[in-house]
Amino acid sequence: DAKTTQPTSMDCAEGRAANLPCNHSTISGNEYVYWYRQIHSQGPQYIIHGLKNNETNEMASLIITEDRKSSTLILPHATLRDTAVYYCIVPNFGNEKLTFGTGTRLTIIP
Amino acid sequence: DAGITQSPRHKVTETGTPVTLRCHQTENHRYMYWYRQDPGHGLRLIHYSYGVKDTDKGEVSDGYSVSRSKTEDFLLTLESATSSQTSVYFCAMRPATTNYGYTFGSGTRLTVV
Repeated sequence: DAKTTQPTSMDCAEGRAANLPCNHSTISGNEYVYWYRQIHSQGPQYIIHGLKNNETNEMASLIITEDRKSSTLILPHATLRDTAVYYCIVPNFGNEKLTFGTGTRLTIIP
Repeated sequence: DAGITQSPRHKVTETGTPVTLRCHQTENHRYMYWYRQDPGHGLRLIHYSYGVKDTDKGEVSDGYSVSRSKTEDFLLTLESATSSQTSVYFCAMRPATTNYGYTFGSGTRLTVV
């Protein structure tokens, strides 16, 4: 899998936008970027994925740079329930398995 | 999560005893996975299955075996439990038509004493 680099931890004020960066400089042209999150002691939850265009769904937005070497997950109006560990994953094309790193621990501050 | 359940949720067992964890899904998904999670390591893949009787190893498969005799059930067996296998175990599933949207179970906390 392409190596991803994420900050270990981040804080964000409640109600503000949370911007979580991820570097994936070795990504190949046909490899997707996936984001998952894990709320304390629960199983990970799928958030969003993208290839090269920006994506938005009911949970978040994903901004991928033009060179595809980095991306940002945006939670537009963070709530306390968004406190979790967020994983950025870039599996090798055709890889049927997801490899989770240690992610970014996001804490939403009241 | 909806459509996937793990049992038991908690288990304490003694070193050297066999242990089987069960993952059951109701979505008819082709792919199923077993992960373990330990502090400082994130989730690590143990084994996965891409169909009935079709399984393969993940990155930390030593000491574990799996079986999938039916689409809905994926069993993880520790033949002889060791203290290093104390962990939280997560099962996951996904349909064959996508490579995203894994759905995870709620986890099994296993303690080997």
